[in-house]
Amino acid sequence: DAMVIQNPRYQVTQFGKPVTLSCSQTLNHNVMYWYQQKSSQAPKLLFHYYDKDFNNEADTPDNFQSRRPNTSFCFLDIRSPGLGDAAMYLCATSPSGSWNEQYFGPGTRLTVT
Amino acid sequence: QKEVEQDPGPLSVPEGAIVSLNCTYSNSAFQYFMWYRQYSRKGPELLMYTYSSGNKEDGRFTAQVDKSSKYISLFIRDSQPSDSATYLCAMSVGNYGQNFVFGPGTRLSVLP
Repeated sequence: DAMVIQNPRYQVTQFGKPVTLSCSQTLNHNVMYWYQQKSSQAPKLLFHYYDKDFNNEADTPDNFQSRRPNTSFCFLDIRSPGLGDAAMYLCATSPSGSWNEQYFGPGTRLTVT
Repeated sequence: QKEVEQDPGPLSVPEGAIVSLNCTYSNSAFQYFMWYRQYSRKGPELLMYTYSSGNKEDGRFTAQVDKSSKYISLFIRDSQPSDSATYLCAMSVGNYGQNFVFGPGTRLSVLP
């Protein structure tokens, strides 16, 4: 089945220790997104790619970076995680003709100790 | 005033009930309206996608949009325990996700 895969599902990191979360998709969608979701809150868009064109949301902290080496893969790098970065991180994709149809992965739950 | 508002719930109903979930919004430029379902510890899943005003039906689910009142609804008929989840409305100005925003979600619990 075509899908969006996120690894790992659960990640524990130490305060200040860099961490990378990964996302892959078999849908061949041009658009990929990274969201941060805290408990009982709406997903908050961090950035998105249209193909290799990177778009950062204005309020995304510099601590968050992303890479998209090819259509299928996208990575979220958190350079120096703080306690406030503990959250669920969701990857999503959209076909190029309909960005409102977003297909989400299962998420990576990040814990910062 | 927040751009999109939803009652956070939890909303508890007995199995078989008709459920009504609602969102209000402030930006009259929104044209595309979506409902996503999110099970605990999972990613959101697109349920319904509508353009402009009117109704759309898909099985037990009906989405309604009233742009004059800036109000959208999702109705679930014959609710099942498997419908227990958080329901997020989402909306945007254009087909390319311009000003795309999620509501905070309503947590629904359908009791057997």
